[in-house]
Amino acid sequence: SQQGEEDPQALSIQEGENATMNCSYKTSINNLQWYRQNSGRGLVHLILIRSNEREKHSGRLRVTLDTSKKSSSLLITASRAADTASYFCATDGATSGSRLTFGEGTQLTVNP
Amino acid sequence: GAGVSQSPSNKVTEKGKDVELRCDPISGHTALYWYRQSLGQGLEFLIYFQGNSAPDKSGLPSDRFSAERTGGSVSTLTIQRTQQEDSAVYLCASSPRPYNEQFFGPGTRLTVL
Repeated sequence: SQQGEEDPQALSIQEGENATMNCSYKTSINNLQWYRQNSGRGLVHLILIRSNEREKHSGRLRVTLDTSKKSSSLLITASRAADTASYFCATDGATSGSRLTFGEGTQLTVNP
Repeated sequence: GAGVSQSPSNKVTEKGKDVELRCDPISGHTALYWYRQSLGQGLEFLIYFQGNSAPDKSGLPSDRFSAERTGGSVSTLTIQRTQQEDSAVYLCASSPRPYNEQFFGPGTRLTVL
């Protein structure tokens, strides 16, 4: 079953613009991770944020976590056509163990 | 260094046949996970191995599915008497330890005719 819901399901922007994707989850977590997937194959790990962290940066990526609202956001700044992909959030938790429970994903299209 | 590798990359089989999918995790990673991704079900957990502990099989959808991990490294996922609903991309991931980043392989696309 899916723990999380991503919002929006699909996002289309122009190169250079920022892209924001949101993820909500239902149960208490230890960590939340964001992944990128191209062409329905392997998942590329982007960033992990722990439940006691509120914000994390990696290059053009910024992730926030609000455990009181059970939500996270992924911001990609200055987007490029190569950022076109599906983005998933995934959580692990105290009751589910270290296995990941994934959201439905956001399909991002960056138009050149 | 080398990432997680999986073989075969694609597998087409006939309904009722058995298939074996292989995963080579990153060297030194103690945790190994199998997931599958299908159009109707999204990404779902199948099974988890950690060191020498008994595996967490709670995600396996039926007793036709089994997996083993030999020597704490390579893992094989076996599906017996395949059904059309088994068609999916099977993904393997490894992690240096539980509750850390999981690194995924490229997946095996299984098609059951």
